Amino acid sequence: ETGVTQTPRHLVMGMTNKKSLKCEQHLGHNAMYWYKQSAKKPLELMFVYNFKEQTENNSVPSRFSPECPNSSHLFLHLHTLQPEDSALYLCASSQVVGLRYFGEGSWLTVV
Amino acid sequence: AQTVTQSQPEMSVQEAETVTLSCTYDTSESDYYLFWYKQPPSRQMILVIRQEAYKQQNATENRFSVNFQKAAKSFSLKISDSQLGDAAMYFCAYFSPLNTGNQFYFGTGTSLTVIP
Repeated sequence: ETGVTQTPRHLVMGMTNKKSLKCEQHLGHNAMYWYKQSAKKPLELMFVYNFKEQTENNSVPSRFSPECPNSSHLFLHLHTLQPEDSALYLCASSQVVGLRYFGEGSWLTVV
Repeated sequence: AQTVTQSQPEMSVQEAETVTLSCTYDTSESDYYLFWYKQPPSRQMILVIRQEAYKQQNATENRFSVNFQKAAKSFSLKISDSQLGDAAMYFCAYFSPLNTGNQFYFGTGTSLTVIP
């Protein structure tokens, strides 16, 4: 238990669906992150939030929409995804400058 | 740009034996940290060990130790007395507080199999 919880753990969605991934951290950290993990590729940083403000968007398509209502919660809203978006999505948190603590990930399959 | 390279996509080790996973990195920063993360089948990334670049002494955590060669930019992980529970993907990662993007750089991972 690292204090970062992700739900759902598994999600299957059609290309026309709208769904959301949720991340919650109980560590008192100020920064939260979304990563995408695909087979045989390094972890790809998608979004960074510091003190609820988005500080980084690594050229992520607009079909991925993050939301950070407070320092403890982070969402990733998904709509009109493509099959190549199927991957493990990992949430992490940290102090503004520091070690990443990861959640267990959400497996996304787009059909 | 910083890069992290893990040249061994897969490794295997006999239970109770020792295995070393390789990692090299490229940076021009003077202040940085290196990490090894373990990702078991449950998929949760778990920190195994960390090394501060300014420390010359190699970090050790129980059966896990690193061989940090700063000049060579090498950061290998040694697992002693391997156990079945050590089977996982292992990721090497780099972080520098001097990097304004607060970016963590990960390698592509090494899949470790432990043979009973």
